[in-house]
Amino acid sequence: GQNIDQPTEMTATEGAIVQINCTYQTSGFNGLFWYQQHAGEAPTFLSYNVLDGLEEKGRFSSFLSRSKGYSYLLLKELQMKDSASYLCAGMDSNYQLIWGAGTKLIIKP
Amino acid sequence: KAGVTQTPRYLIKTRGQQVTLSCSPISGHRSVSWYQQTPGQGLQFLFEYFSETQRNKGNFPGRFSGRQFSNSRSEMNVSTLELGDSALYLCASSWSGRPLGTGELFFGEGSRLTVL
Repeated sequence: GQNIDQPTEMTATEGAIVQINCTYQTSGFNGLFWYQQHAGEAPTFLSYNVLDGLEEKGRFSSFLSRSKGYSYLLLKELQMKDSASYLCAGMDSNYQLIWGAGTKLIIKP
Repeated sequence: KAGVTQTPRYLIKTRGQQVTLSCSPISGHRSVSWYQQTPGQGLQFLFEYFSETQRNKGNFPGRFSGRQFSNSRSEMNVSTLELGDSALYLCASSWSGRPLGTGELFFGEGSRLTVL
């Protein structure tokens, strides 16, 4: 079956670095997405990886290893506004997104 | 440009009733997808429409249906509501629905349905 696993909740300190992991099993693979969702708001796109390696975008970076079925989202210089849920989604061979349950990130001062 | 608009934002229904939710995608986007989001669950895919045709469908019962109009606006309908249908229903649009490379889904803020 298809499955996306990510931790339910993580806590980190303002100014620090946090890594949110995601493992996936999809029927075929057409890439992996990360979205950010603040409470009560719509998810917003953060990153898309389809090739192995690290993609950096400002304070956020996303990594993919297709052989391991593994991705992570790295957030640097954490700010209070980064408190949100982070959603990992894998795209299968039918271009359908399979979503994880999301990781709630709590930032403490 | 205007984002994805969903109406209504909040609604309360009772068991057995039916509900229709509306989604207006970003101008120029031809694909509209619908998702159900409940606490502790990932986004559950309902269906995707592209140019008025259902292109993909998730594993939901036939009580859940949708359609897309020629202007790309979409509606979803849930008949014979059950308590378990209480959720946030999110609509997302994209240019093609095949976001390879640089494309992505743009989400609306959702319609929060409560079934009593």
